[in-house]
Amino acid sequence: ILNVEQSPQSLHVQEGDSTNFTCSFPSSNFYALHWYRWETAKSPEALFVMTLNGDEKKKGRISATLNTKEGYSYLYIKGSQPEDSATYLCAFCSGNTGKLIFGQGTTLQVKP
Amino acid sequence: EAGVAQSPRYKIIEKRQSVAFWCNPISGHATLYWYQQILGQGPKLLIQFQNNGVVDDSQLPKDRFSAERLKGVDSTLKIQPAKLEDSAVYLCASSLSPKYPTGELFFGEGSRLTVL
Repeated sequence: ILNVEQSPQSLHVQEGDSTNFTCSFPSSNFYALHWYRWETAKSPEALFVMTLNGDEKKKGRISATLNTKEGYSYLYIKGSQPEDSATYLCAFCSGNTGKLIFGQGTTLQVKP
Repeated sequence: EAGVAQSPRYKIIEKRQSVAFWCNPISGHATLYWYQQILGQGPKLLIQFQNNGVVDDSQLPKDRFSAERLKGVDSTLKIQPAKLEDSAVYLCASSLSPKYPTGELFFGEGSRLTVL
């Protein structure tokens, strides 16, 4: 059974703080790693799709890194804002099955 | 470009009743997914369609859940009869990618089901 773990489960930070989350996934048969942001009452939206070991992607204040050999990805948010409050989901795609398996998510709350 | 449409947004039913959810993916997206997200857990894939064919339904509880994708466009997910543990958000997503999701998934807002 393929397992995708995210930590921490939840996080409360002050506006302006920088923060990071971890996504751990199987290090074998890697195909792709997705990050999504899911705000309350909205649809999940894609942040990044990463396919290469050592990949680093950035979108505004949010960036992500990927290490497929050791099976982890970090998501960083620089200078958190209240509008960053959401659940952040990572999803691992195995080269064997093509199935996208989601972690349980990290819920971020940014206090003004 | 219109996004993925889902309905209803909310549904409350009693156990043993039936319910149906509808999804209209983004135009031109060949791949359609139904996910079940139970509170505190990550979304779990129930079924994946490529056009109107089923690619993966290994985690669909087939004794009570059924899904179809008519003419490779709209899709319907049905639960009959519902159990308490079916209370969840049912997410529909679509993608341009073929079987392997190298491209992003586009999600609807979800249908929240409460079974009493």
